[in-house]
Amino acid sequence: GAVVSQHPSRVICKSGTSVKIECRSLDFQATTMFWYRQFPKQSLMLMATSNEGSKATYEQGVEKDKFLINHASLTLSTLTVTSAHPEDSSFYICSASPAGAGQPQHFGDGTRLSIL
Amino acid sequence: GQQVMQIPQYQHVQEGEDFTTYCNSSTTLSNIQWYKQRPGGHPVFLIQLVKSGEVKKQKRLTFQFGEAKKNSSLHITATQTTDVGTYFCLSNTGNQFYFGTGTSLTVIP
Repeated sequence: GAVVSQHPSRVICKSGTSVKIECRSLDFQATTMFWYRQFPKQSLMLMATSNEGSKATYEQGVEKDKFLINHASLTLSTLTVTSAHPEDSSFYICSASPAGAGQPQHFGDGTRLSIL
Repeated sequence: GQQVMQIPQYQHVQEGEDFTTYCNSSTTLSNIQWYKQRPGGHPVFLIQLVKSGEVKKQKRLTFQFGEAKKNSSLHITATQTTDVGTYFCLSNTGNQFYFGTGTSLTVIP
């Protein structure tokens, strides 16, 4: 089945550091990938839609200059949390689906980001 | 993405009891997908419903899509401790993604 790989799985770093998270579709091409944030015991919150070869579409309230998204190829999207602060600590997950109407989303394992 | 109302937000059941979660949308949906996220894990696709009034079963799980394609339910018969997790619905309708707010299920042994 379709596999999405997300790396790293865990990051602990100091405040002010920029952190890059990678999301790869391993056995299918994805023109669109999605980035989510999840707080403990809460549902996923869609942050942005990553579009291959074009700018990402951000959800209302998500700072595009804070969360930089690059989708340079059909199998890779990256999310960079710039100048991270403790309030950015969270669980970040990506998803992608193969082309075709109604395809299910395949989720990465997530990245737990802790900013000290 | 837009949120779809999902109830209840939390549910505690004794092992063996039934469990149901509901997703309700004000918009007609093209499809509805259900996912399960175990504690500490990532969401896993369970099933997709497309047709009005469609009902699908997976062992103890029964999924239903409303006649008007605005609501859906997931019912678990005789819950087991392995059913613990958060269940949420998702729909890709047109160019919009609709996410259920999720139901966190706790099963008490």
